[in-house]
Amino acid sequence: ETGVTQTPRHLVMGMTNKKSLKCEQHLGHNAMYWYKQSAKKPLELMFVYNFKEQTENNSVPSRFSPECPNSSHLFLHLHTLQPEDSALYLCASSQDRRGEQFFGPGTRLTVL
Amino acid sequence: EDKVVQSPLSLVVHEGDTVTLNCSYEVTNFRSLLWYKQEKKAPTFLFMLTSSGIEKKSGRLSSILDKKELFSILNITATQTGDSAVYLCASSGTYKYIFGTGTRLKVLA
Repeated sequence: ETGVTQTPRHLVMGMTNKKSLKCEQHLGHNAMYWYKQSAKKPLELMFVYNFKEQTENNSVPSRFSPECPNSSHLFLHLHTLQPEDSALYLCASSQDRRGEQFFGPGTRLTVL
Repeated sequence: EDKVVQSPLSLVVHEGDTVTLNCSYEVTNFRSLLWYKQEKKAPTFLFMLTSSGIEKKSGRLSSILDKKELFSILNITATQTGDSAVYLCASSGTYKYIFGTGTRLKVLA
C-alpha cells in the first residue's frame, strides 16, 4: 500500500465518547501533520510532528491529543468533543518541513 | 499576521474556456507557494513554486509566482468537466503552512 492512509473514513461520536483517528504514511517521510477542514473555512493546521517530535501546536484545545509513536504513524485522540468539532480531519506528510505535503483521504467526523 | 487570500471564491465556466485563479500571500520568511486540487476527497498536489517568474506547466495547467508583488496565478486552459474542484493555494514560511479558503471551480459541459 502506498501514500497516506487514514482510518476510520467516517466517525460519528457523542460528546462523552473517546475515540482515536489513525494516520499512516508509506512514503518514508519525516514530517506529519493534522489539519481540520470545516465548511467554508481554510484548512487549519492543528499539529506538526517532525522526526516524531511535536514541533507545532496551533492553540488546539486539549480535548484533541496527538500521538506520534514513529515517523510512519500519527494518531489523534479525541475526548469530550463539542458539536462544533465536526469537520473533515486530514492527515498529511512531507519529506521534511519544507517539502510539499501529501494528504490522506481524511476522516469525516460528526459529533452529536 | 500571515495570510493567504484566493480569488475568486467561486467560478462557473463552460468546457473549453480558460480560467485564471489568483492567490496573494503575506507569510513571514516565505519559502514556497503551493497549489492543490481538492475534489470530494483529500487535496492532491499540483505545483510548488519557489522562484519568481518561472512558469511551471503540467498539461493544461500552469502556474507562476511573483515574489515582488506577493501573488501567484494558476491557469487552466481548455477546461474540462473533470477540472471541477476546489483549488487551494498554500504558502509556507518557517515551519508554517497557511492555506487560503480555495476557489471552487465548476466546469459545465
